[in-house]
Amino acid sequence: EAQVTQNPRYLITVTGKKLTVTCSQNMNHEYMSWYRQDPGLGLRQIYYSMNVEVTDKGDVPEGYKVSRKEKRNFPLILESPSPNQTSLYFCASSLWPPRGEQFFGPGTRLTVL
Amino acid sequence: SQQGEEDPQALSIQEGENATMNCSYKTSINNLQWYRQNSGRGLVHLILIRSNEREKHSGRLRVTLDTSKKSSSLLITASRAADTASYFCATAYYGGSQGNLIFGKGTKLSVKP
Repeated sequence: EAQVTQNPRYLITVTGKKLTVTCSQNMNHEYMSWYRQDPGLGLRQIYYSMNVEVTDKGDVPEGYKVSRKEKRNFPLILESPSPNQTSLYFCASSLWPPRGEQFFGPGTRLTVL
Repeated sequence: SQQGEEDPQALSIQEGENATMNCSYKTSINNLQWYRQNSGRGLVHLILIRSNEREKHSGRLRVTLDTSKKSSSLLITASRAADTASYFCATAYYGGSQGNLIFGKGTKLSVKP
């Protein structure tokens, strides 16, 4: 089954404790992207990647890191999480260029205390 | 950022009525896509319209695109309670090695039985 998986689905952590949210897709997509969703602000892009070893900042990259060492994986790293990073996070993938639909993961709800 | 802006932010209608949502954007695009999100879940692709197309249909969905006004509309005809969700437009631009897919803030649709 074609899908984007994210782990964990829910995470409660404390300020400053490094964490990684994994994202994996099985559709051989070149393009992958991370978004955060907050009430009233829609989907804001954090980072995106057009292929292996090619990443670029989205609208809200501060406080986040990503890597794209393999085509299927695109982990999101929070080196020192803060409460303002409490949010719902989505990973998505598609072919490049984006001539077709983007497939979304189920989301990761992160709470930083 | 060339984030699209949906209008209205929220829409409440009765079952059987039509729902119209609008999306405006700022720069040239290659295609525009509409997505649906049920509460807290990942987005699901509904329909894509290319920049050289003016109208597209898919079941009860009708999308129009006016590139001169940089705007698009999504019409859901004969709405059902199950159409209750948030709807997002996303604009895709690409050329050479650059490009991206950017989402708007969404319209929250409530269909009352």
